[in-house]
Amino acid sequence: EVQLVQSGAEVKKPGESLTISCKASDFGFTNYWIGWVRQMPGRGLEWMGLIFLGDSETRYSPSFQGQVTISADKSTATAYLQWTGLKVSDTAMYFCARPRHISGALDSWGQGTQVTVSS
Amino acid sequence: QPVLTQPPSMSGAPGQRVVISCTGTSSNIGSVYDVHWYQHLPGTAPKLLISGNVNRPLGVPDRFSASKSDASASLAITGLQAEDEGDYYCQSFDRSLGGWVFGGGTKLTVL
Repeated sequence: EVQLVQSGAEVKKPGESLTISCKASDFGFTNYWIGWVRQMPGRGLEWMGLIFLGDSETRYSPSFQGQVTISADKSTATAYLQWTGLKVSDTAMYFCARPRHISGALDSWGQGTQVTVSS
Repeated sequence: QPVLTQPPSMSGAPGQRVVISCTGTSSNIGSVYDVHWYQHLPGTAPKLLISGNVNRPLGVPDRFSASKSDASASLAITGLQAEDEGDYYCQSFDRSLGGWVFGGGTKLTVL
């Protein structure tokens, strides 16, 4: 089973920039999608966007288009989620997840990265 | 507003059976796309319970089963146990969005 390891918890101030990461254990194979999922406090799971590691094709949920940037480095099998101007409302747990194909089940999940934005 | 519709909460006594519904549209569940179910316990990553509408991954007890019909799906849990308490999500792919869609989640309480 593929392991996804995410970067650690972050505490930031409004307006700051942040990039969190998600590294897959099977580097060397990059023909797969990784997606990012947000869970705000007390709320459900929300799909943010997807990236194909092989060629960095990216798709965003309309709710997150223009709010975040998803990128990847296929040489290290790592996907990234970036903000350039954090808001208090970005406080949430962020998970990365990987299906075997784009519409398949998410059978690998990262452990989650808690992002707290507070003045 | 979640794309897939689930009841926000359900409850049952130990040993009972509960069924969680998930309703979508012709752009996702009602199309060619499968429904997948996840169990999410506090402080952990979501865990895949059911893939491809009806398939249980290795290690998932057979107390968990699921089905899909047209634009709806359901997850059944029989012989409820205290450890089943948590949040349950359905998920699929949406043709219009070109990405994943989730239900709003169902909080299951074991009385």
